[in-house]
Amino acid sequence: NAGVMQNPRHLVRRRGQEARLRCSPMKGHSHVYWYRQLPEEGLKFMVYLQKENIIDESGMPKERFSAEFPKEGPSILRIQQVVRGDSAAYFCASSPPPGSGEKLFFGSGTQLSVL
Amino acid sequence: SQQGEEDPQALSIQEGENATMNCSYKTSINNLQWYRQNSGRGLVHLILIRSNEREKHSGRLRVTLDTSKKSSSLLITASRAADTASYFCATTGYGQNFVFGPGTRLSVLP
Repeated sequence: NAGVMQNPRHLVRRRGQEARLRCSPMKGHSHVYWYRQLPEEGLKFMVYLQKENIIDESGMPKERFSAEFPKEGPSILRIQQVVRGDSAAYFCASSPPPGSGEKLFFGSGTQLSVL
Repeated sequence: SQQGEEDPQALSIQEGENATMNCSYKTSINNLQWYRQNSGRGLVHLILIRSNEREKHSGRLRVTLDTSKKSSSLLITASRAADTASYFCATTGYGQNFVFGPGTRLSVLP
């Protein structure tokens, strides 16, 4: 049973380009969370999704950032027109449906570097 | 929104000593969890304590929860160099998401 898979592991983009980060949750998990982490800091919540539905996007910047979790395929975090300040580690976590286990399972993260 | 806040921010101890980290939060919770993060990796769940529990053990880990003070502590006994990592608490409330604190960076010196 594979864990949460994130790819790519490292992503380098120039300012103005688009970044697409992918997350495949654990088998049987229908809920996905995205977090952002700067060096030596904690995790900042970005968005919480269920398949085909955004539950909570209160942590997402209003512009340039979007997330989806389609019926088929991985969850995607998309950052348009990246800027240097977007450089960070982006972690995805998945969980089973509420009521069947409350802990999160994390992927290894995508390190985004914006040149 | 509710938030876990760990202290100290950094802790350095000798191998064999005990390490204690604390977490405070602001609002009512459903449960509180502790996670560990090795450098450059994702977080790994350590232990969960529910709001109606006061203490929980798992191996060398001991977690306490004081809902009247809105605080929790994580004790790692007989620490090892391999325990060197960052430790985060996370709270969940009814209908609310996992909110993480800034973490405690633990260094266990051989």
